[in-house]
Amino acid sequence: AQSVTQLGSHVSVSEGALVLLRCNYSSSVPPYLFWYVQYPNQGLQLLLKYTSAATLVKGINGFEAEFKKSETSFHLTKPSAHMSDAAEYFCAVNEAGANSKLTFGKGITLSVRP
Amino acid sequence: DAGITQSPRHKVTETGTPVTLRCHQTENHRYMYWYRQDPGHGLRLIHYSYGVKDTDKGEVSDGYSVSRSKTEDFLLTLESATSSQTSVYFCAVQGLQETQYFGPGTRLLVL
Repeated sequence: AQSVTQLGSHVSVSEGALVLLRCNYSSSVPPYLFWYVQYPNQGLQLLLKYTSAATLVKGINGFEAEFKKSETSFHLTKPSAHMSDAAEYFCAVNEAGANSKLTFGKGITLSVRP
Repeated sequence: DAGITQSPRHKVTETGTPVTLRCHQTENHRYMYWYRQDPGHGLRLIHYSYGVKDTDKGEVSDGYSVSRSKTEDFLLTLESATSSQTSVYFCAVQGLQETQYFGPGTRLLVL
């Protein structure tokens, strides 16, 4: 069975600071991993995805994530936070070749202080 | 944008009434999904469809039913709405490499 853990529910950073949002997963087979972003009162937008190609994945808006199999992690980073990055971020896992169902973490709200 | 629309976008209803939410897609995706989003729970899968008339339950399917009579439409019905079904409902479709794309959501309030 697959699962996703996003520790903590809220992260606050200063504008220009490093953003690090953690995601750990469990999966019995090589997974596909995703990060989605949700701005207030909107749907989820795909930020980036890992599908067994390069372990360092670059996404939109300057975000990137690194797949580390030994740590079962897929942490999301951005070198310099911008006010517009304030949103809720969801990590999700899908076991490749399984029944096409995503399992989501509970989400992390990112606040950016001026 | 995967060409997904949801209707209605907002709805207020009373306990015990049936409610149907519609998801419409324009890109002929085979897989479609219904999720609910609640604070502290992330997104939870209600039902999904892997083709016309082919559906299966997700983790929170009690009190919900679905139908898919044509590729582009996936309907979610709350058979007798309860206050615990107050939530934001999202439809999604699956594209390449198991990637899901989401609609704008429907806010449902059950009084």
